[in-house]
Amino acid sequence: DTGVSQDPRHKITKRGQNVTFRCDPISEHNRLYWYRQTLGQGPEFLTYFQNEAQLEKSRLLSDRFSAERPKGSFSTLEIQRTEQGDSAMYLCASSSFTSGRTDTQYFGPGTRLTVL
Amino acid sequence: GENVEQHPSTLSVQEGDSAVIKCTYSDSASNYFPWYKQELGKGPQLIIDIRSNVGEKKDQRIAVTLNKTAKHFSLHITETQPEDSAVYFCAARTNTNAGGTSYGKLTFGQGTILTVHP
Repeated sequence: DTGVSQDPRHKITKRGQNVTFRCDPISEHNRLYWYRQTLGQGPEFLTYFQNEAQLEKSRLLSDRFSAERPKGSFSTLEIQRTEQGDSAMYLCASSSFTSGRTDTQYFGPGTRLTVL
Repeated sequence: GENVEQHPSTLSVQEGDSAVIKCTYSDSASNYFPWYKQELGKGPQLIIDIRSNVGEKKDQRIAVTLNKTAKHFSLHITETQPEDSAVYFCAARTNTNAGGTSYGKLTFGQGTILTVHP
């Protein structure tokens, strides 16, 4: 399977704990996005990486959230001191821009986080 | 920033009927409009997209139309089948410049729950 993969698929944690999610993009894609999706809503942009550089962070990404893409391949999203409001589906998408082609984003299956 | 409104929130049709979902956007600089299908427990899957220099695009039973003047775009599904049942999201992309490069983050609509009855 050459699509975007995410791990774990489900995570249940207690309030105040730290959690980390991993995203493996499509291998030749240099662009990586994180989105958050709450129940009954569309995904909302969190952050963008081009190769290893984090170029944009949404206001939704509080200082408890940190994302990395150390070698421009996989990415991790860490949430510290989780709160019940962090419960959501965390989606990763990757893309590759080629001159003349649209920057199509392909999504992974997501990590569903439940904070008790 | 960009704002995308999507209607209806739920749509129920009989197998074989057509389904239409409409979206409006606010930022005239948006230049790319994808549609995603999301099944329960899965990530969004791209089904069709359209660029701002095109008015209509069709792929078998699925078509998308774009009216840049009115800032709205629509998804049309003909000859619906039960397996078309899912949540559909429209999105708009506006280019952002940072770090010496241009990229596009997507702003999504609220989604439409489509149910196709056999």
